[in-house]
Amino acid sequence: QKEVEQNSGPLSVPEGAIASLNCTYSDRGSQSFFWYRQYSGKSPELIMFIYSNGDKEDGRFTAQLNKASQYVSLLIRDSQPSDSATYLCAVPNFGNEKLTFGTGTRLTIIP
Amino acid sequence: DAGITQSPRHKVTETGTPVTLRCHQTENHRYMYWYRQDPGHGLRLIHYSYGVKDTDKGEVSDGYSVSRSKTEDFLLTLESATSSQTSVYFCAISPWGLEYEQYFGPGTRLTVT
Repeated sequence: QKEVEQNSGPLSVPEGAIASLNCTYSDRGSQSFFWYRQYSGKSPELIMFIYSNGDKEDGRFTAQLNKASQYVSLLIRDSQPSDSATYLCAVPNFGNEKLTFGTGTRLTIIP
Repeated sequence: DAGITQSPRHKVTETGTPVTLRCHQTENHRYMYWYRQDPGHGLRLIHYSYGVKDTDKGEVSDGYSVSRSKTEDFLLTLESATSSQTSVYFCAISPWGLEYEQYFGPGTRLTVT
């Protein structure tokens, strides 16, 4: 099992709809989780982080964490064409002293 | 880009030549990281630093070395570049360490011919 797994997509969502991105992880000891957005040809940009079980909302973005099931998700409400990007999930791996990134989900918002 | 610059932004070099990439930060953050990003592999950690002259290896460190003589600068050196090191290289910084957020520089696209 990969340490961090994401559906590579592409995921196509109509403009104005909710985009749902999922990430599963293998290290049960992980305490913090990060979502990055990466536009083509650009560097990853941190958009959300979550430490506690449950939901965390920031504008149109909601991160959901379920430690028992070892998954973290990102919801984007009222999707806009500018949300079209690759979304990376990242989870600390304390055994290897690193932040492990998923390979990313490519999201396309269709006008 | 959170006060992080990388130089050069693009470089083409020949197999067997040494290459040094520079990461410079103005945030005075303690932790600095070098990643490479390749299609199908995502971001992979090469080396990281937890202070001046304190560095350690990541998961893909073979063929790379690093140095950090000042808080603001973290250098990545390819001693003898190979075609497999063609990649996009990102530097990242973090104020508190592994379990906290990291902020990325703009990246360096390196092509080894």
